[in-house]
Amino acid sequence: EPEVTQTPSHQVTQMGQEVILRCVPISNHLYFYWYRQILGQKVEFLVSFYNNEISEKSEIFDDQFSVERPDGSNFTLKIRSTKLEDSAMYFCASSDRLSQPQHFGDGTRLSIL
Amino acid sequence: DQQVKQNSPSLSVQEGRISILNCDYTNSMFDYFLWYKKYPAEGPTFLISISSIKDKNEDGRFTVFLNKSAKHLSLHIVPSQPGDSAVYFCAASETHSNYQLIWGAGTKLIIKP
Repeated sequence: EPEVTQTPSHQVTQMGQEVILRCVPISNHLYFYWYRQILGQKVEFLVSFYNNEISEKSEIFDDQFSVERPDGSNFTLKIRSTKLEDSAMYFCASSDRLSQPQHFGDGTRLSIL
Repeated sequence: DQQVKQNSPSLSVQEGRISILNCDYTNSMFDYFLWYKKYPAEGPTFLISISSIKDKNEDGRFTVFLNKSAKHLSLHIVPSQPGDSAVYFCAASETHSNYQLIWGAGTKLIIKP
């Protein structure tokens, strides 16, 4: 069964450094999402992406965040200057149609020191 | 933000019996609801969904019930199996927000042999 893959599984970064989280969505999917889950808190929506542009973003997704689909398979989340509070699990998801269930990767655990 | 609430942090059920997981929501604009299952160190796995035009959807051992007037949905698992032990998340979305998912806090289901 096709799946969403995320790399790396764990990223440790110094505060203030840039980090790029990578995702390979399911190949025929057109809608892409990033969510995060801070330890002990709910999963939170960050951003949705379709047709090479952001379709929706939350208040969390400020100017420090950006997303990109650099080629036909990868979908990346960049955090320009990381803060301690960016430490969380980051999940990528994709769906083939807007009204269809989103399928998730296993996440990247981001630890900011 | 308490738009989606799962009031039971954990639930313990005997193998073979019915597991009932509950979820309440406050936003009347939500029109699509999903249940995800999550094992430790893995991403959420889609289980079953329901549109607001329906009040029941069934898939094998899993049935989701939606009561729009009460803003309540439930997931029934019957019969419960040891492999069902996991954290179950309720999520909701609305068409006009590009289906960004709003998540509950999760219920940890433990199936006792």
